[in-house]
Amino acid sequence: DADVTQTPRNRITKTGKRIMLECSQTKGHDRMYWYRQDPGLGLRLIYYSFDVKDINKGEISDGYSVSRQAQAKFSLSLESAIPNQTALYFCATSDTTRGGRMNTGELFFGEGSRLTVL
Amino acid sequence: AQSVAQPEDQVNVAEGNPLTVKCTYSVSGNPYLFWYVQYPNRGLQFLLKYITGDNLVKGSYGFEAEFNKSQTSFHQKKPSALVSDSALYFCAVRDIGAGSYQLTFGKGTKLSVIP
Repeated sequence: DADVTQTPRNRITKTGKRIMLECSQTKGHDRMYWYRQDPGLGLRLIYYSFDVKDINKGEISDGYSVSRQAQAKFSLSLESAIPNQTALYFCATSDTTRGGRMNTGELFFGEGSRLTVL
Repeated sequence: AQSVAQPEDQVNVAEGNPLTVKCTYSVSGNPYLFWYVQYPNRGLQFLLKYITGDNLVKGSYGFEAEFNKSQTSFHQKKPSALVSDSALYFCAVRDIGAGSYQLTFGKGTKLSVIP
């Protein structure tokens, strides 16, 4: 089983619909992220969370919201989807310093959720 | 602000030849640098990282990268390319000196290894 699991893997929806992408992880990491990938633009950070009570906006948070339901779960919502939100979305996790071990910020990614908004 | 540039959208190389995928970065402090690979319809996979110490770091699948502080570069290399190396490669930076907790990714370089 994958350490970082995203559902759904593919979704086609219509403009104006509410969409939720879910992410769960078994790595025991406390930090979780949502990225968006567009051809030629690389990955851009949407939101990130350092623990259950911590939510932070990333580079492109407009039109998105997130919920950190538990340490292992981080969901991304599009309240009213629009066509330019068509993209590949990735969830990622990373670990904090524990016991003196250095946190390098290395990310572990899910397999991605491809969203198409018509 | 931290940033990273991958100057080549695509790199083509013949199988068996050496390959280089370029990356330059900009930070205000000291960087942590990473390379990730993405195969079609897959998530990004970690290849290697530079944190401190030896400027030449070795990673997965025979890839290595050299940290060059004076040129602010972190180019990835492999002495002999395989067709299976064909993928999308991303460089990423974290500005430790500025206290950043985030990774900033480049736009990616598509590597095609020709049989």
